[in-house]
Amino acid sequence: DVKVTQSSRYLVKRTGEKVFLECVQDMDHENMFWYRQDPGLGLRLIYFSYDVKMKEKGDIPEGYSVSREKKERFSLILESASTNQTSMYLCASSPSRQDHYEQYFGPGTRLTVT
Amino acid sequence: DQQVKQNSPSLSVQEGRISILNCDYTNSMFDYFLWYKKYPAEGPTFLISISSIKDKNEDGRFTVFLNKSAKHLSLHIVPSQPGDSAVYFCAAGAISSNTGKLIFGQGTTLQVKP
Repeated sequence: DVKVTQSSRYLVKRTGEKVFLECVQDMDHENMFWYRQDPGLGLRLIYFSYDVKMKEKGDIPEGYSVSREKKERFSLILESASTNQTSMYLCASSPSRQDHYEQYFGPGTRLTVT
Repeated sequence: DQQVKQNSPSLSVQEGRISILNCDYTNSMFDYFLWYKKYPAEGPTFLISISSIKDKNEDGRFTVFLNKSAKHLSLHIVPSQPGDSAVYFCAAGAISSNTGKLIFGQGTTLQVKP
């Protein structure tokens, strides 16, 4: 059973703080993804990684960075949190197989920036 | 540029009736499509998928139809149950990307009334 865990379910941070969101998967998946979910906008891809130390920008990377030092762990970093980064953040992983496209999601982190 | 669109933000149906959720896409490179279901405060969970070589895929009460010429897919739930009340996201991907990246729609909130 695939499990994707995220370090916090709820987080409250102040404007300007550096924020770390951690994601760990236990299925040896090559691909990992960070999304944010906002009402009416769906899931928007921030960054993804298809291998250790590899990363690619998604559709909305501004204000974010990522780190993937180990295969099972993918971190999202908000360098200087702003109120418009208040959102639900979702991490996902998937295997690198052409017959398997399903992504497995973690429970999400509800981040509030005040 | 919204490559995957769900034009109906919400849908309400009576228990036992059919629910039809729609999704349109613009990128002809997409060749696999997925539907996810999301409850509040949880991560999305995979529901059903279809590849572009098929026009229909069925799994129990859930059927996905793909019309490639119209770049349109739909999810049918028959019969609808109150536990189906959730946000439904369609997603699309391209095998050629080799990254497992998916593009998600904005989501449709389904309410099934007892």
